[in-house]
Amino acid sequence: NAGVTQTPKFQVLKTGQSMTLQCAQDMNHEYMSWYRQDPGMGLRLIHYSVGAGITDQGEVPNGYNVSRSTTEDFPLRLLSAAPSQTSVYFCASRGGTGFSHEQYFGPGTRLTVT
Amino acid sequence: AQSVTQPDIHITVSEGASLELRCNYSYGATPYLFWYVQSPGQGLQLLLKYFSGDTLVQGIKGFEAEFKRSQSSFNLRKPSVHWSDAAEYFCAVASNTGKLIFGQGTTLQVKP
Repeated sequence: NAGVTQTPKFQVLKTGQSMTLQCAQDMNHEYMSWYRQDPGMGLRLIHYSVGAGITDQGEVPNGYNVSRSTTEDFPLRLLSAAPSQTSVYFCASRGGTGFSHEQYFGPGTRLTVT
Repeated sequence: AQSVTQPDIHITVSEGASLELRCNYSYGATPYLFWYVQSPGQGLQLLLKYFSGDTLVQGIKGFEAEFKRSQSSFNLRKPSVHWSDAAEYFCAVASNTGKLIFGQGTTLQVKP
């Protein structure tokens, strides 16, 4: 199993550009989520999904869109990038909605918006 | 609202010395608590978790944590630190809406 994979590892965008961060897992996990990590702020939840076709907002959803058409994939879209979205983005998945299931994290995408 | 506080942003210990990383949480009911470790350039790895039962929890890599309800704390400990333990450590609590809330993180530096 590859676990949770994310592409790209690094990305530089200009203000106003759009892009999609890819996330895939091969563990048949129902629950997937996106976090952003900023210095001194820990990880903050952007969006999450409890299964294909079901998504919901987390703590900091503004400026981001998600969809979940398959169990495996959970892409994160930035519609119009802003410098405030410069961050490290982590995708995570776990086998069920309950916390008895371990949450697995991808290696992260480092995004810089100039 | 649920929250997690890690009072120490940065800690330096000598190799072989003992380690304690502090974590305080705010949560009304019995919490689900976690410690994660993040090595440089990597994602997060689960060290240990507490759901209920024995308040002393054993994890991977020789780490343990103790849940103290009276102090709202879940401190992480290791008797003897190795250079490979240098990393950032995150405490987290599961909220009643099913989400993980993370603390700000503590960066551990290990001196040879």
